Amino acid sequence: DVVMTQTPVSLSVSLGGQVSISCRSSQSLVHNNGNTYLSWYLQKPGQSPQLLIYKVSNRFSGISDRFSGSGSGTDFTLKISRVEPDDLGVYYCGQGTQYPYTFGAGTKLELK
Amino acid sequence: VQLVESGGGLVQPGKSLKLSCSASGFTFSSYGMHWIRQAPGKGLDWVAYISSSSGTVYADAVKGRFTISRDNAKNTLYLQLNSLKSEDTAIYYCARMWGDYWGQGVMVTVSS
Repeated sequence: DVVMTQTPVSLSVSLGGQVSISCRSSQSLVHNNGNTYLSWYLQKPGQSPQLLIYKVSNRFSGISDRFSGSGSGTDFTLKISRVEPDDLGVYYCGQGTQYPYTFGAGTKLELK
Repeated sequence: VQLVESGGGLVQPGKSLKLSCSASGFTFSSYGMHWIRQAPGKGLDWVAYISSSSGTVYADAVKGRFTISRDNAKNTLYLQLNSLKSEDTAIYYCARMWGDYWGQGVMVTVSS
């Protein structure tokens, strides 16, 4: 199975600040078809996860350009700029390149 | 797009339960669907996938005990949970194939 390692476990940020979350996979996430199926999700308290970024760097419909994804192979990053109160929650990376699909353990974003 | 799960509840170890996920707002028959679960206070754990042509894949932890199925005429996804264990206690989410839409989740508690 592909192990997804997210760091840090938690982050404290001031409103308006910028943060980065790292996600590393134990194997390359490049699929045989050339695509890299790495996604980022935000789970707000008491809610279902919501898709932010798919295929490494593509923002899902309606997602602010304050969110950006980058990386390749086994090393990926989510950056959030100008943090707003609605950005708080737990962020997960997830891979859909090979079964079983796997997720990182999550990064909790809190206000400083 | 809307996904609404139902069928959860409290069940004794070794017993069975069937979850449903009612889909609307898109052509259900054209999309693969996932079940993903989240134990209390824990991260995301992929359970099973069914393709638009009803091919299935399972996580090792549930293989042989859980069965994913779909009824395209009813726009409904199912998860049959048999031989339930305490470690199956979780919120169960259905999600569209690219993880772009998730239901609100349904709680399954396995306890005597």
